[in-house]
Amino acid sequence: DIQMTQSPSTLSASVGDRVTITCRASQSISTWLAWYQQKPGQAPKLLIYKASTLESGVPSRFSGSGSGAEFTLTISSLQPDDFATYYCHQYSTDSRTFGQGTKVEIK
Amino acid sequence: EVQLVQSGAEVKKPGESLKISCKASGYSFTNYWIGWVRQRPGKGLEWMGIIHPADSDSRYSPSFQGQVTISADRSVSTAYLHWTTLKASDTAIYYCAKHSPAGYYMDVWGEGTTVTVSS
Repeated sequence: DIQMTQSPSTLSASVGDRVTITCRASQSISTWLAWYQQKPGQAPKLLIYKASTLESGVPSRFSGSGSGAEFTLTISSLQPDDFATYYCHQYSTDSRTFGQGTKVEIK
Repeated sequence: EVQLVQSGAEVKKPGESLKISCKASGYSFTNYWIGWVRQRPGKGLEWMGIIHPADSDSRYSPSFQGQVTISADRSVSTAYLHWTTLKASDTAIYYCAKHSPAGYYMDVWGEGTTVTVSS
């Protein structure tokens, strides 16, 4: 299996901050990467696919970048609704995997 | 509107069998892969496997191969996740998710089914 490692595991930030989450793959996955947001008690929600394509309806303050084995999710100006856990997900192979998650907390 | 409606919470004993369901609506069920994701209490997401309802072609994570069976019934647009012998470690929320065209990423998720296995 391809291992996905996110950093940091927890991030404390304030409303208005620029936030960056990193996801590293154990081997190249081209741009076969998605990002999901999950709030407590809810199912995950797709934010970004193919590393940098914003899902319809997702605010433009979210952006994704990267290719190969290193990727980032950036929130340009953190809003109260953005406090949640974020997961990267590789779909490069038949056996897909998630990162361990990054929890974005209120500072 | 594309929707996945999952079956209700289950409480089972170790050694029992279980099948949970995920009913799809609002799209052509046989045209898209559908999969399952596990989330243990307080933990992250784990990809379990996927199935293509048109021909039941399925793929499993090595971690779940042989532990569960994923199936689909085209006649009722429903995917299933089946255990023959539950363990306490199967206690989790299980999400189904529709995949994008060509079966890449998961774009629509069900609300989750909570499975509790306890003696």
